[in-house]
Amino acid sequence: AQSVTQLDSQVPVFEEAPVELRCNYSSSVSVYLFWYVQYPNQGLQLLLKYLSGSTLVESINGFEAEFNKSQTSFHLRKPSVHISDTAEYFCAVYSGNTPLVFGKGTRLSVIA
Amino acid sequence: EAGVTQSPTHLIKTRGQQATLRCSPISGHTSVYWYQQALGLGLQFLLWYDEGEERNRGNFPPRFSGRQFPNYSSELNVNALELEDSALYLCASSSFNQPQHFGDGTRLSIL
Repeated sequence: AQSVTQLDSQVPVFEEAPVELRCNYSSSVSVYLFWYVQYPNQGLQLLLKYLSGSTLVESINGFEAEFNKSQTSFHLRKPSVHISDTAEYFCAVYSGNTPLVFGKGTRLSVIA
Repeated sequence: EAGVTQSPTHLIKTRGQQATLRCSPISGHTSVYWYQQALGLGLQFLLWYDEGEERNRGNFPPRFSGRQFPNYSSELNVNALELEDSALYLCASSSFNQPQHFGDGTRLSIL
């Protein structure tokens, strides 16, 4: 069975500072990895995904994540955050023919 | 392309009543998933339907049930509502081995 650990439940950061949200997973089979973002009173939106190929994946709004198989990690990074990035971020793992397994989420608060 | 749509947006019930939540997937998606997001508990998997069949079920009591219709839309039914059922219920859809896309959820409040 897969599991996902998001090491930080809350991350406060000043505007224009860099941020890293950590995600580790465990699985005995090959996995697909995802980051979803949830803004207040909304559902989850897919931020980025790793299915295969390049281990560095990027989103359209400046976030990136790197799949590290040896460390079983998929940390999310952004070099300079904006107030509008304030949201909850969920890491998820999928191994085919199973539901997504989510981490408990990290609440990113960007401070002006 | 229309996204995943859920109805109603909000639902208020009292203990012991029954609730029905509805979900329309993205066109072409055959799988529908239901999740419960309760305060402080994160996202918990409830049910997965694909091609009209229940494929997997999370660790929830039998009073949580559902079905998927021939047009791939889905219904989640919760019987004998309890206070702890108050949560945001999220529906997601996908096609095979593709990422799940989520609706905005139904907020169920039990008084």
